[in-house]
Amino acid sequence: KAGVTQTPRYLIKTRGQQVTLSCSPISGHRSVSWYQQTPGQGLQFLFEYFSETQRNKGNFPGRFSGRQFSNSRSEMNVSTLELGDSALYLCASRDTRGGMNTEAFFGQGTRLTVV
Amino acid sequence: QQQVKQSPQSLIVQKGGISIINCAYENTAFDYFPWYQQFPGKGPALLIAIRPDVSEKKEGRFTISFNKSAKQFSLHIMDSQPGDSATYFCAASSWTSGTYKYIFGTGTRLKVLA
Repeated sequence: KAGVTQTPRYLIKTRGQQVTLSCSPISGHRSVSWYQQTPGQGLQFLFEYFSETQRNKGNFPGRFSGRQFSNSRSEMNVSTLELGDSALYLCASRDTRGGMNTEAFFGQGTRLTVV
Repeated sequence: QQQVKQSPQSLIVQKGGISIINCAYENTAFDYFPWYQQFPGKGPALLIAIRPDVSEKKEGRFTISFNKSAKQFSLHIMDSQPGDSATYFCAASSWTSGTYKYIFGTGTRLKVLA
């Protein structure tokens, strides 16, 4: 079974630009969450999507948005990039069948550098 | 109340020693406590997890100790090896707004000296 796939692995963008990151979850997983990881801040929750609907949102400005497609693939978009947006963006998928709290499987992340 | 406090921030242990990382939480609604291991350039991977109905869980050299009354849990790595050098994150999860939401600690960078 393939793991969580994130593309691209690395990105360099200029301040003010926008960027779109992609995440393909494990087959059968319908929950996809996004996290921002920076040194000293750990993993900060951005949002979670399930069946194309945003179910939860973290404390990030509206410049950060996402969506999920019918095949559970998800994209995250950041508009008007700021230097402080430089981070590793991680996507995690979960198998929500069965109803219990279960393991989140992470992708390798997209390293975004804003210059 | 949604925070998970993790300590220490960094840890250096000799090969063969015991590494101990601690986490504390406030929200009694948390019902799943995983530990993730992250190597440079990789995403976090689940190491071991515990639910609050048990006080200890052991998998190989890794043990979670859970103290429900103190709202604390810890990861013990026995016979630490250089290959264990990584960043470790604790997390706590609960049912919130129609989904299971994870709160992560800030991470502990472990270095095991050969």
